[in-house]
Amino acid sequence: DSGVTQTPKHLITATGQRVTLRCSPRSGDLSVYWYQQSLDQGLQFLIQYYNGEERAKGNILERFSAQQFPDLHSELNLSSLELGDSALYFCASSDPGRDYTGELFFGEGSRLTVL
Amino acid sequence: AQSVTQLGSHVSVSEGALVLLRCNYSSSVPPYLFWYVQYPNQGLQLLLKYTTGATLVKGINGFEAEFKKSETSFHLTKPSAHMSDAAEYFCAVRSSNSNSGYALNFGKGTSLLVTP
Repeated sequence: DSGVTQTPKHLITATGQRVTLRCSPRSGDLSVYWYQQSLDQGLQFLIQYYNGEERAKGNILERFSAQQFPDLHSELNLSSLELGDSALYFCASSDPGRDYTGELFFGEGSRLTVL
Repeated sequence: AQSVTQLGSHVSVSEGALVLLRCNYSSSVPPYLFWYVQYPNQGLQLLLKYTTGATLVKGINGFEAEFKKSETSFHLTKPSAHMSDAAEYFCAVRSSNSNSGYALNFGKGTSLLVTP
């Protein structure tokens, strides 16, 4: 158990819909990273938040957005969903000391299926 | 940009045999390198990491990896495979550009199958 909690574990929705994925980082970790894992693209970095502020951006679509709240949990919002958005979405967290080295602790992921 | 390439999307070994998973990196700065493992229906778990110092790093579950700058490689090995080692293995390099901060860039992964 990494200590990172993601909900929901599974989500099935239709094209055009909007969903929100939630992540609670490990106690004491200030950074939250979001990754998308799909068969064709592999693991793709989407976005990072550090103590409530956006720190870094990867290959995140404009239809996707994220935020980190004062209690440090984070939400990833996916809108106008397309079939190709079906994937496993991982959240990872890191503490300030490990953030520089890049060591991440991953949740078990939220599997999104768009029909 | 920092990136890694994992050679072989599937590797099959017999129980008790040597495990060798290959990873080559590309980096414009001294790299921080990682191996993560993903068991079915689970998140990724850190096996080992190289940041600075000793080039042979030991990780959990008997795995180790050697950083070879001259070969731009960071191959993962284990002397004797166990059935429980069957999983997906990911090599990763820490990014270091202004856009993606210190996020990890992952390879495509290598699925390890261990046969009796």
